[in-house]
Amino acid sequence: QQQVKQSPQSLIVQKGGISIINCAYENTAFDYFPWYQQFPGKGPALLIAIRPDVSEKKEGRFTISFNKSAKQFSLHIMDSQPGDSATYFCAASPSNFGNEKLTFGTGTRLTIIP
Amino acid sequence: DAGVIQSPRHEVTEMGQEVTLRCKPISGHDYLFWYRQTMMRGLELLIYFNNNVPIDDSGMPEDRFSAKMPNASFSTLKIQPSEPRDSAVYFCASSSSGLQSSYEQYFGPGTRLTVT
Repeated sequence: QQQVKQSPQSLIVQKGGISIINCAYENTAFDYFPWYQQFPGKGPALLIAIRPDVSEKKEGRFTISFNKSAKQFSLHIMDSQPGDSATYFCAASPSNFGNEKLTFGTGTRLTIIP
Repeated sequence: DAGVIQSPRHEVTEMGQEVTLRCKPISGHDYLFWYRQTMMRGLELLIYFNNNVPIDDSGMPEDRFSAKMPNASFSTLKIQPSEPRDSAVYFCASSSSGLQSSYEQYFGPGTRLTVT
């Protein structure tokens, strides 16, 4: 299975700061890149997603930056809040499969401290 | 809608026993996915169905695992016989390929399986 490499494994950010999580992929056929957020005891939930026809997508405090040539994408959380403390997963899927063949990164446990 | 429903939420069983996990997808969704989550391997896709037909089971670890979807509103994942290394959280997810769909996968709350 094609890999999606995610870093860091864990991240501690002060309230109000910027949280940055990075992912890199190998398969050039990937063209759908979602980020999922998971709270303890819950299933993952879609947070934001991007396709490679744009280099950035912003939804509220959450921004995906995408670098097609480097095969990298990242999640930025601006003005991080304690309620953002969760595990974040990047994922990728080839275009001809829609989102059926999602390959997930290994996850980043984010903790926002007061 | 109630979202994806999974049962049981927790299951503790002894090695060698049969385990059946159940999933009810969101009404109207035509895709159903089974995932396994462990600390070591993260989130792994086991199998997915489209319109009740299994499309890709390449992620099923071995013959001890089987999945069925007898109708659009119900799916099962069975492990027989279970082994301690099967201990994990199993998620079911569903999505829609309709014209207005975003292809978002909606995950259930998961079943935490412990095999002793």
